[in-house]
Amino acid sequence: AQSVTQPDIHITVSEGASLELRCNYSYGATPYLFWYVQSPGQGLQLLLKYFSGDTLVQGIKGFEAEFKRSQSSFNLRKPSVHWSDAAEYFCAVGGGNAGNMLTFGGGTRLMVKP
Amino acid sequence: NAGVMQNPRHLVRRRGQEARLRCSPVKGHSHVYWYRQLPEEGLKFMVYLQKENIIDESGMPKERFSAEFPKEGPSILRIQQVVRGDSAAYFCASSPQGLAGATTDTQYFGPGTRLTVL
Repeated sequence: AQSVTQPDIHITVSEGASLELRCNYSYGATPYLFWYVQSPGQGLQLLLKYFSGDTLVQGIKGFEAEFKRSQSSFNLRKPSVHWSDAAEYFCAVGGGNAGNMLTFGGGTRLMVKP
Repeated sequence: NAGVMQNPRHLVRRRGQEARLRCSPVKGHSHVYWYRQLPEEGLKFMVYLQKENIIDESGMPKERFSAEFPKEGPSILRIQQVVRGDSAAYFCASSPQGLAGATTDTQYFGPGTRLTVL
């Protein structure tokens, strides 16, 4: 069965600082990987996705993520965080043998200090 | 272009009542998914439907919960005889086709329905 682990429940960074959110997955085949962001009381917005090809993927709002098969990781990065990035971030895996369901990590709540 | 629409956004029910949650997918999308998010947790898959068919309901509780996606109209998630533990945010997502075997499909999420059971 597939699973996703986001080791950091909360992260606080200063505005302008760099950010890396960790995501590790367990999956029996080549995974489809996603990062979503959820603002308080809102739905989920897709930041970026990896299906195949270049292991460094660019997303919206200046985010990027790198797929590392050897480490079973898909960490999300941003070089300079803005106050508006404060939200909850979810990593998800799906597709292939697992069918169409997405399996989500527990989320990382990002707080941004002025 | 309208995204995934869900209504109501907030729903309050007393124990024992029924809750009906509606989801209108993105126009042209024929695949609908329902997920539940308990407080302080990630989303958990419940059910995957195509028009008039339930494809995967492995995440759905065996009792009191049902889902449909009729030929016409929105998808409905129905919870009978609600209990306090059903209080959660319920999210619907849609995609043009399923992920399995596809290379480009993404699930687009609605704003959710927040169910509170008193």
